[in-house]
Amino acid sequence: EAEVAQSPRYKITEKSQAVAFWCDPISGHATLYWYRQILGQGPELLVQFQDESVVDDSQLPKDRFSAERLKGVDSTLKIQPAELGDSAMYLCASSPDRGGISPLHFGNGTRLTVT
Amino acid sequence: QKEVEQDPGPLSVPEGAIVSLNCTYSNSAFQYFMWYRQYSRKGPELLMYTYSSGNKEDGRFTAQVDKSSKYISLFIRDSQPSDSATYLCAMKLGAGSYQLTFGKGTKLSVIP
Repeated sequence: EAEVAQSPRYKITEKSQAVAFWCDPISGHATLYWYRQILGQGPELLVQFQDESVVDDSQLPKDRFSAERLKGVDSTLKIQPAELGDSAMYLCASSPDRGGISPLHFGNGTRLTVT
Repeated sequence: QKEVEQDPGPLSVPEGAIVSLNCTYSNSAFQYFMWYRQYSRKGPELLMYTYSSGNKEDGRFTAQVDKSSKYISLFIRDSQPSDSATYLCAMKLGAGSYQLTFGKGTKLSVIP
């Protein structure tokens, strides 16, 4: 079964450093999402792409976070500078349709620890 | 009050028991309801996906949605140790709406 690929699986960084996460969605999936999951909480949406365009980034802290999906396939999420409160699991998800009907398929995430 | 409320547990049951997991929500406009299973250090895995009210069964899993009470449930029959995980409910508005609203998740342990 096709999977959403994410790397790295784990990342430890110091406060004020830059970090980047990569996601490769299931082939052919038009919509890509980045979620953040704090330990003991449910995932919360950071940004959503449809093809290469941002559909919703209202919850993305734009002073330090950026995301891109240049060719409408894989995507990168960047944090600069990282803060202690950014420690969380960063999950990428994709879905095949553009109508918001199909369910999301999640990758296994990148666990970020900021020290 | 959060839009979606879910008891975080932990919930511990003996192997073979019937497990009942629940979520309540406040937004009556939610139309699509999902249950995800999340093993430790893994991403959420879709278990059940339902539209509007009613029941849906898939093997040992049954999802129920009661929109009049704003209440959804997931039942697991003949629970197995491999069912030990965190179960997340999620819901979203109608077609064309993308954002999922998740509960906090319930941590389940099935004891052999």
